[in-house]
Amino acid sequence: DAGVIQSPRHEVTEMGQEVTLRCKPISGHDYLFWYRQTMMRGLELLIYFNNNVPIDDSGMPEDRFSAKMPNASFSTLKIQPSEPRDSAVYFCASRSWTGPNTGELFFGEGSRLTVL
Amino acid sequence: RKEVEQDPGPFNVPEGATVAFNCTYSNSASQSFFWYRQDCRKEPKLLMSVYSSGNEDGRFTAQLNRASQYISLLIRDSKLSDSATYLCVVILSGGYQKVTFGTGTKLQVIP
Repeated sequence: DAGVIQSPRHEVTEMGQEVTLRCKPISGHDYLFWYRQTMMRGLELLIYFNNNVPIDDSGMPEDRFSAKMPNASFSTLKIQPSEPRDSAVYFCASRSWTGPNTGELFFGEGSRLTVL
Repeated sequence: RKEVEQDPGPFNVPEGATVAFNCTYSNSASQSFFWYRQDCRKEPKLLMSVYSSGNEDGRFTAQLNRASQYISLLIRDSKLSDSATYLCVVILSGGYQKVTFGTGTKLQVIP
């Protein structure tokens, strides 16, 4: 089975540009999470969805960040306009509420963003 | 106070040594606990769940102390391949079960 798929794997952009990160969760998973990881702040939860509905977006840094989940198989995280301090690795993860491993989050390989 | 706290390390230990990490959590409504491992420039992956009675998986032992609100991970007979960052994870009880990661403890096993 395919795992969580993220794209792009790497993105280099200039300050002020719009960045869109994409995620396809594991089929059948009903939770989707967006995390940001930096050396200084570790792994930060930005937002998570349950059955495509945003549950908690308190970790979204500011209005420049937005996330959507139009259907069960796709989510986007958008940064507009981007700033150098947004440079980080952005991870998407999914999880199933039911089944034998309800606690396990499955992560994508991450999108490494560099804003110049 | 952070919801989940870990000593960032690094812990530099020789091969064969025993090393232990602790992780404290602030919310007493925390329900489920896990240890994840993250290799350099890779995504986190589940290492093991932490059960109330404690559990062991080979050289790894995880324990939970609800009274003091911490979990621990013990690694015996450290291998070079154990070098990684170890993240503790806490899931709150309740309808939407928020998942929170600690910042991780870096382990470097030295030959």
